Amino acid sequence: EPEVTQTPSHQVTQMGQEVILRCVPISNHLYFYWYRQILGQKVEFLVSFYNNEISEKSEIFDDQFSVERPDGSNFTLKIRSTKLEDSAMYFCASSVAGTGFSGANVLTFGAGSRLTVL
Amino acid sequence: KQEVTQIPAALSVPEGENLVLNCSFTDSAIYNLQWFRQDPGKGLTSLLLIQSSQREQTSGRLNASLDKSSGRSTLYIAASQPGDSATYLCAVPAYTGANSKLTFGKGITLSVRP
Repeated sequence: EPEVTQTPSHQVTQMGQEVILRCVPISNHLYFYWYRQILGQKVEFLVSFYNNEISEKSEIFDDQFSVERPDGSNFTLKIRSTKLEDSAMYFCASSVAGTGFSGANVLTFGAGSRLTVL
Repeated sequence: KQEVTQIPAALSVPEGENLVLNCSFTDSAIYNLQWFRQDPGKGLTSLLLIQSSQREQTSGRLNASLDKSSGRSTLYIAASQPGDSATYLCAVPAYTGANSKLTFGKGITLSVRP
């Protein structure tokens, strides 16, 4: 079964360092998302991406965050200068045709990248 | 603003029991609702996607129902097994639109005792 692949599975970094989290969505999917989950808290939306541009971003997704789809397969999340509060599990997700309409498809998540900021 | 609530936060049952997990949401103008399973430290696995035009959706021992008017969904697990132990999350689109983000509940952590 097709799956969303994320790397690395775990990254430890020092505060202030740049981090890039990588994702390979399912090949025929067109909508891409990043979510995160701080330990013990809800899964929360960061950003959605379609047609090579950001569709929506949350208030969490400030100037320190950026996303890119550098080629036809990868989808990356960059955090420019990490803070302690960025420590979380980051999930990439993709879907064929989006989520908020009748007949919407399943949103498929990757296994996550755990980011620990020291 | 869409809010999703799942109560209780945790549930422990003996193996073999049939159980119901509840999910409530504040804005009933949704097109679908998705149930996910999350194992400790792992990603989210989609279990069932139920469209607003459907009342129920079934997959194996799982059955999800959706009542938009009351803002509720239930996930029924038949003949529970220790392997069902995980956190179960429900999620709904925050608004109408293909790019809509999902709003998640905090999840119900299920423990099935052998």
